[in-house]
Amino acid sequence: AQKITQTQPGMFVQEKEAVTLDCTYDTSDQSYGLFWYKQPSSGEMIFLIYQGSYDEQNATEGRYSLNFQKARKSANLVISASQLGDSAMYFCAMREEEGATNKLIFGTGTLLAVQP
Amino acid sequence: DGGITQSPKYLFRKEGQNVTLSCEQNLNHDAMYWYRQDPGQGLRLIYYSQIVNDFQKGDIAEGYSVSREKKESFPLTVTSAQKNPTAFYLCASSMIYGADYEQYFGPGTRLTVT
Repeated sequence: AQKITQTQPGMFVQEKEAVTLDCTYDTSDQSYGLFWYKQPSSGEMIFLIYQGSYDEQNATEGRYSLNFQKARKSANLVISASQLGDSAMYFCAMREEEGATNKLIFGTGTLLAVQP
Repeated sequence: DGGITQSPKYLFRKEGQNVTLSCEQNLNHDAMYWYRQDPGQGLRLIYYSQIVNDFQKGDIAEGYSVSREKKESFPLTVTSAQKNPTAFYLCASSMIYGADYEQYFGPGTRLTVT
């Protein structure tokens, strides 16, 4: 069964520093997609970045980059130059391939606190 | 502006009552989803629908029901059979074909049952 593991319940980072949020996954599929979402205290889930299993280059979106290590089955999110507004829950998710339904499996999340 | 709306933001019900959560999208997305989020946990899929008048159970469908009579709407009913209905409920939508598309989420409904 497919599974997403986020082992860091909470993280602290100083403003303007970089931070890495860990995500490992388990799947037997050859083709899959990995997503990161941000959930502020308001509750809405905000899409940050996507990595396809066949993408050779790590995905980047502004200050967000995904450190994709396929052999290790890890898809860590790197946030550069942290800002106070980055304080939120961060979820890693994987898209199931079965039936091409675009169903997502989520990890338990990491709570990031950016300190001034 | 395109997006997903969920109403109400907060909902209170007495135990034993059914309650329906609204979800509307104007993104012209084919697929819609309902997730439940409990404290300290990630999102768990309740139901999803890829096309009008068709839907499938997710991982935790017991005690819930849905309908998809229109492409834009995917209401979720929390029935009295749901043993622990108090939770945060999130609706999402996405394109379906190509399957690399991200899911767009609504603002959520926080349901409290006492």
